[in-house]
Amino acid sequence: SAVISQKPSRDICQRGTSLTIQCQVDSQVTMMFWYRQQPGQSLTLIATANQGSEATYESGFVIDKFPISRPNLTFSTLTVSNMSPEDSSIYLCSVLGGLAGDEQFFGPGTRLTVL
Amino acid sequence: GNSVTQMEGPVTLSEEAFLTINCTYTATGYPSLFWYVQYPGEGLQLLLKATKADDKGSNKGFEATYRKETTSFHLEKGSVQVSDSAVYFCALGYSSASKIIFGSGTRLSIRP
Repeated sequence: SAVISQKPSRDICQRGTSLTIQCQVDSQVTMMFWYRQQPGQSLTLIATANQGSEATYESGFVIDKFPISRPNLTFSTLTVSNMSPEDSSIYLCSVLGGLAGDEQFFGPGTRLTVL
Repeated sequence: GNSVTQMEGPVTLSEEAFLTINCTYTATGYPSLFWYVQYPGEGLQLLLKATKADDKGSNKGFEATYRKETTSFHLEKGSVQVSDSAVYFCALGYSSASKIIFGSGTRLSIRP
């Protein structure tokens, strides 16, 4: 299984500002994923980040709001731009792994509160 | 489209009680099925999985059987402990695709 770390673990931000979340994996992976978990809700996939290409965004999420970088096979960043209180969530990155390649391993998450 | 429906919570049980959390799915083809657990203040961890019909996944005393005829993957444990208090997510995915689809989650609280 992959070991995934995220920074920051939590932050409190002001409306209108932006926050960049970092995700580091201890092994090289092709795809990394960014999820949002709103308070008391399930996980919603924001986008899939492949190294060397544009991220693929899910319906309801756009690059201007959630720009993603993937500079190499072990690292990715997600920026939450022009934040509003509705962006208060836990943001998680994950990677595929397991023998069949169908399991997802998650980072510890970044808890974001927007005032 | 593919989807996962699971039992709404919260579920509150006494220690040593029997646990069932229901999960049903809608999917094409032959997905793998998963249960993930999220302990308070932590990220998600894979609890168990099953990759084909009639497979039983098990871990930490929890079990779930892949039932294609009823499109279900119910989570069970014979005797729960306070340390099992967490949110449990049922999910499905395919080895040929990247996306995993999660259910809404069920919060489980165990009373001493």
